[in-house]
Amino acid sequence: DQQVKQNSPSLSVQEGRISILNCDYTNSMFDYFLWYKKYPAEGPTFLISISSIKDKNEDGRFTVFLNKSAKHLSLHIVPSQPGDSAVYFCAASATYSGAGSYQLTFGKGTKLSVIP
Amino acid sequence: DAGVIQSPRHEVTEMGQEVTLRCKPISGHDYLFWYRQTMMRGLELLIYFNNNVPIDDSGMPEDRFSAKMPNASFSTLKIQPSEPRDSAVYFCASSLGVSYNEQFFGPGTRLTVL
Repeated sequence: DQQVKQNSPSLSVQEGRISILNCDYTNSMFDYFLWYKKYPAEGPTFLISISSIKDKNEDGRFTVFLNKSAKHLSLHIVPSQPGDSAVYFCAASATYSGAGSYQLTFGKGTKLSVIP
Repeated sequence: DAGVIQSPRHEVTEMGQEVTLRCKPISGHDYLFWYRQTMMRGLELLIYFNNNVPIDDSGMPEDRFSAKMPNASFSTLKIQPSEPRDSAVYFCASSLGVSYNEQFFGPGTRLTVL
């Protein structure tokens, strides 16, 4: 059973427009969420995170929104740039659910293509 | 900071052979994670260590897989014997064991078992 779902395997957006990547989760114990970006032949790199005590976190062009009641989060990229073309992974952690619970559960990723 | 170092970057082997993947975490990080990425299953956690001690190996697919962390700067993931279905990209990641700290990933090892 997949606890973190990214239902869109791919997304294409014009340069300058907004990219919205979505993520749903099923485990109500998750209390910390992260987005990672991955380029080909590289490991995922941390992009932005949000704690369950917040509903929004912003870092430059990147904003993550969390809707706990819907168990849904989204990543907004505005404006989108060609260099943003990558695979984006949503990840979740049940940080306070037990001792040493620092493991992340990842979605399968969404491949974003930003068209110049 | 050199980041997480993994070797080899690519490994091609024949079914039945032993494969050893290596990882050097970021200095000072006390958590180390091994992941496997496949098209079908995405990024899966195999095992993680805290202060060199294995904490959760429930993601290790079967007894053919084993992982060790003999010291704070080195870990291995071994597959013996290897099978074609083990073909995947294997990532190592490390982090500080403080709440809300993200994991830093290595570049991965692409394993192909023929």
